[in-house]
Amino acid sequence: GQSLEQPSEVTAVEGAIVQINCTYQTSGFYGLSWYQQHDGGAPTFLSYNALDGLEETGRFSSFLSRSDSYGYLLLQELQMKDSASYFCAVRGNQGGKLIFGQGTELSVKP
Amino acid sequence: NAGVTQTPKFQVLKTGQSMTLQCAQDMNHNSMYWYRQDPGMGLRLIYYSASEGTTDKGEVPNGYNVSRLNKREFSLRLESAAPSQTSVYFCASRLGTAYTYEQYFGPGTRLTVT
Repeated sequence: GQSLEQPSEVTAVEGAIVQINCTYQTSGFYGLSWYQQHDGGAPTFLSYNALDGLEETGRFSSFLSRSDSYGYLLLQELQMKDSASYFCAVRGNQGGKLIFGQGTELSVKP
Repeated sequence: NAGVTQTPKFQVLKTGQSMTLQCAQDMNHNSMYWYRQDPGMGLRLIYYSASEGTTDKGEVPNGYNVSRLNKREFSLRLESAAPSQTSVYFCASRLGTAYTYEQYFGPGTRLTVT
């Protein structure tokens, strides 16, 4: 089977840096994605890692270690608008389908 | 360019009723997906269509059927709704080539079964 684990909640203050971890167990692995979802909204794509290492997109970075079945999302210079749920998702080998973790709710405090 | 659209936005059904959730995309994407999201949970894949003319089961297909009507449209049918199917349903699409990873999601349909 396939499973992903990520913390259920994280709290941080504006301007700080926060790291959201994700560990996965999967029978077929093609990459790790991160999605953001604001309350009542649709998930939106943040990043994708197919290979080991760090991918940077503005204030957000994502890291993958395939040997450790581990990845993380790093959010820098936190803003209030970053308060949302963040999901890691493993890409399977069929049709690009995604298996999602249960999500980490990030609260950014002033 | 509307992206991914879903109808209806909200629906209340009685146990045993049937309904079809509609999804359309105007981005010429090959792959389309249906997910459900329960409170405080991640998204679970119900069915997907890797390309026009194909459909496959995801993690939680029981109680659902799908139709890939054409390249643009992918519908999800509940034949006999049950309270356990109360959820938010999201449709998504992806270009579907080997190196395209991003899935684009619709706004969701909020379904309550009483």
